[in-house]
Amino acid sequence: GQQLNQSPQSMFIQEGEDVSMNCTSSSIFNTWLWYKQDPGEGPVLLIALYKAGELTSNGRLTAQFGITRKDSFLNISASIPSDVGIYFCAGLLPSGGGADGLTFGKGTHLIIQP
Amino acid sequence: NAGVMQNPRHLVRRRGQEARLRCSPMKGHSHVYWYRQLPEEGLKFMVYLQKENIIDESGMPKERFSAEFPKEGPSILRIQQVVRGDSAAYFCASSPGQTQPQHFGDGTRLSIL
Repeated sequence: GQQLNQSPQSMFIQEGEDVSMNCTSSSIFNTWLWYKQDPGEGPVLLIALYKAGELTSNGRLTAQFGITRKDSFLNISASIPSDVGIYFCAGLLPSGGGADGLTFGKGTHLIIQP
Repeated sequence: NAGVMQNPRHLVRRRGQEARLRCSPMKGHSHVYWYRQLPEEGLKFMVYLQKENIIDESGMPKERFSAEFPKEGPSILRIQQVVRGDSAAYFCASSPGQTQPQHFGDGTRLSIL
């Protein structure tokens, strides 16, 4: 099946620092999504990207859809304690290109040290 | 504006029993997806349904697992004769259209004794 390689696996940062994480794939995706998951809860949608090269912001979060359609990154500026959690990238393949559901990365654990 | 509602939140079953997981999509959403998540892993797609139709079940195990989304009522993921390896968190998502973002429920955590 398709795979998304998400990195880093975990990040230990100081409050106030900027954060950057990314996902790459050998397959082309039509849509890239970034989710955050807190313990015991479901993933919450942060940003959705639909076009190659698209750069979208949501508050302190910025994400980009790579030109090749095979990668995406998420940046968080000036991190705060509530940013702690697991961040997942997810991609939707073109119709007929594979499963109709999302393909997820393995997640980036963000830990913030006060 | 209720989100995606899943119940139960926790389900304990003994080996060989049946597990039924329910999902009510967000209002106005007719597309439902089921995913499974193991500890320290991302979510894995299982099945995609619209009302009364299974659109894609390529991620569903061939045996013991089934899903439905009837005309009335919630979507149901059914696991027959559960085994220890079925222990996982099962998440449901819904969207208004196939290419539109999926919104997730808080999952059902299934534990098999």
